[in-house]
Amino acid sequence: LAKTTQPISMDSYEGQEVNITCSHNNIATNDYITWYQQFPSQGPRFIIQGYKTKVTNEVASLFIPADRKSSTLSLPRVSLSDTAVYYCLLMTTDSWGKLQFGAGTQVVVTP
Amino acid sequence: DSGVTQTPKHLITATGQRVTLRCSPRSGDLSVYWYQQSLDQGLQFLIQYYNGEERAKGNILERFSAQQFPDLHSELNLSSLELGDSALYFCASSVAVENTEAFFGQGTRLTVV
Repeated sequence: LAKTTQPISMDSYEGQEVNITCSHNNIATNDYITWYQQFPSQGPRFIIQGYKTKVTNEVASLFIPADRKSSTLSLPRVSLSDTAVYYCLLMTTDSWGKLQFGAGTQVVVTP
Repeated sequence: DSGVTQTPKHLITATGQRVTLRCSPRSGDLSVYWYQQSLDQGLQFLIQYYNGEERAKGNILERFSAQQFPDLHSELNLSSLELGDSALYFCASSVAVENTEAFFGQGTRLTVV
């Protein structure tokens, strides 16, 4: 299974932009990059998904370079409610249906 | 609200007992996943069902079993419970078997005493 590596934690102040980079050096051609957010004692929530270049929705942006060996989730102007764990996942052809969550990145936003 | 309903929300039981956790997927979703989340293990994939059939298996113990019924709801059965089984158990659903946009329920917090 292709693995992902992301920072364990990141701190930010309200109003700042938070960028979380995920490394996936062994990403396969058919893999999609997906990010989930999880608040304490709640189930993870889908944020964004992409294959290449840039994807943007109302919550975040996802930047994927041409070699696809990494990706960056960008959270614009974070607020206290963005404090959560963010997971980077790859959907691999040898794990159809299995969403393999790693340790995630704990983002803490302070006033 | 994700549309995925899990019951019960909390469960306290003794070691050696058996419990059943229930999950109702979002309307129209055919795929159901079960996850276990404990403090020291993170989110662990247990098993996936698609339209009543098992499609993928993860780190599910032999003491645990699951099934998906014709109405698409799913149950996770945990037997011979041990203290280490105490965790949050999440159910998720998605439209297709390979859909990465899965919707998670609020979870069942199981405490084994």
